[in-house]
Amino acid sequence: GAGVSQTPSNKVTEKGKYVELRCDPISGHTALYWYRQSLGQGPEFLIYFQGTGAADDSGLPNDRFFAVRPEGSVSTLKIQRTERGDSAVYLCASSLVAGRAETQYFGPGTRLLVL
Amino acid sequence: KNEVEQSPQNLTAQEGEFITINCSYSVGISALHWLQQHPGGGIVSLFMLSSGKKKHGRLIATINIQEKHSSLHITASHPRDSAVYICAVTPGSARQLTFGSGTQLTVLP
Repeated sequence: GAGVSQTPSNKVTEKGKYVELRCDPISGHTALYWYRQSLGQGPEFLIYFQGTGAADDSGLPNDRFFAVRPEGSVSTLKIQRTERGDSAVYLCASSLVAGRAETQYFGPGTRLLVL
Repeated sequence: KNEVEQSPQNLTAQEGEFITINCSYSVGISALHWLQQHPGGGIVSLFMLSSGKKKHGRLIATINIQEKHSSLHITASHPRDSAVYICAVTPGSARQLTFGSGTQLTVLP
């Protein structure tokens, strides 16, 4: 079956612009996670959803970042007034449920470059 | 201090060598994960452990809960094993992963 997909694969934008990053999880997976990976670092947690609701958004760095999952499937990560420091690979993962010992399946990531 | 520490950061080996990557963590966990990331590619889950040892092909993962330490071993390494190997944990009651910074493995033919 299809894995986790993310679009776009690459996004170049100018400082101050608004961007949306999309994640399409594995069908039937109720939990969806967003992570951010800077060059040479491990990923860092941003937010996760169980169903439609954000269960934990403690990793969002500030209020310029927002994510939604209105129908419990596709999720969109939204970044307002982008800054150069937002440049990173944004990774999405999904799991069957949001359990403490669940395998997460990762998408290929969206590489965001803010000029 | 990061909650998850990996060593070494970089590792170069000759084809056929036995490889060990280490991971130490400082928090109580529900599970520990080993993941593989190829250049420009996504992340693939290799193992999820909460105790003992798991084996898949040439890969072996072990965990010592008391010592808060895990190792990933690769037997008879091959150039196609070249990738970044990442250790991650599910801390406490959390659902999200906390990652180490990864080990860049290069296996030379």
